[in-house]
Amino acid sequence: ETGVTQSPTHLIKTRGQQVTLRCSSQSGHNTVSWYQQALGQGPQFIFQYYREEENGRGNFPPRFSGLQFPNYSSELNVNALELDDSALYLCASSPTYGLAQETQYFGPGTRLLVL
Amino acid sequence: KNEVEQSPQNLTAQEGEFITINCSYSVGISALHWLQQHPGGGIVSLFMLSSGKKKHGRLIATINIQEKHSSLHITASHPRDSAVYICAVFLDSNYQLIWGAGTKLIIKP
Repeated sequence: ETGVTQSPTHLIKTRGQQVTLRCSSQSGHNTVSWYQQALGQGPQFIFQYYREEENGRGNFPPRFSGLQFPNYSSELNVNALELDDSALYLCASSPTYGLAQETQYFGPGTRLLVL
Repeated sequence: KNEVEQSPQNLTAQEGEFITINCSYSVGISALHWLQQHPGGGIVSLFMLSSGKKKHGRLIATINIQEKHSSLHITASHPRDSAVYICAVFLDSNYQLIWGAGTKLIIKP
């Protein structure tokens, strides 16, 4: 069991709405990354947080934003939802900055459907 | 051309067969990651490689840094091995993780 939890498991929103997805990292992990996985595709890196600061960002518009809290839990916020935002959103935590040499531990994901 | 290419995209085999999934990449990396994704989305980390070979149970992963190629092997395959297997690389220029599209493996009893 990875210890990374995400909530909610499923969510339905309409275009233009805002959504907040939550992730609780595995104990002792100070780095969290968020990924978007559209149906039938590999996950796309959204951003990474290390000790409450954004540490890296993929090719996602500013309406995708995040937060990491002092207990290293994290949120992904998406404003002005578009139909193409429908996807599985994965959170992954790791114990060190940069991820280069450490395994990431994935949560079960939140499945978002935008109508 | 994608930075990470996996082959085959789909693979169906009989129980007991030896399975090989390949991953090629075109960028400089610090490490390569093999992951398993089951229906419903759960992702499990299998291996992290920066050189050589790793073995865990019936799974073997190899990487050739010079050729920019990695393989994941499954010996004595079993229907419970049915899943999508994903290769992902850590870029050595930043902290991004670039994912392949995955290989969908079905093992028939």
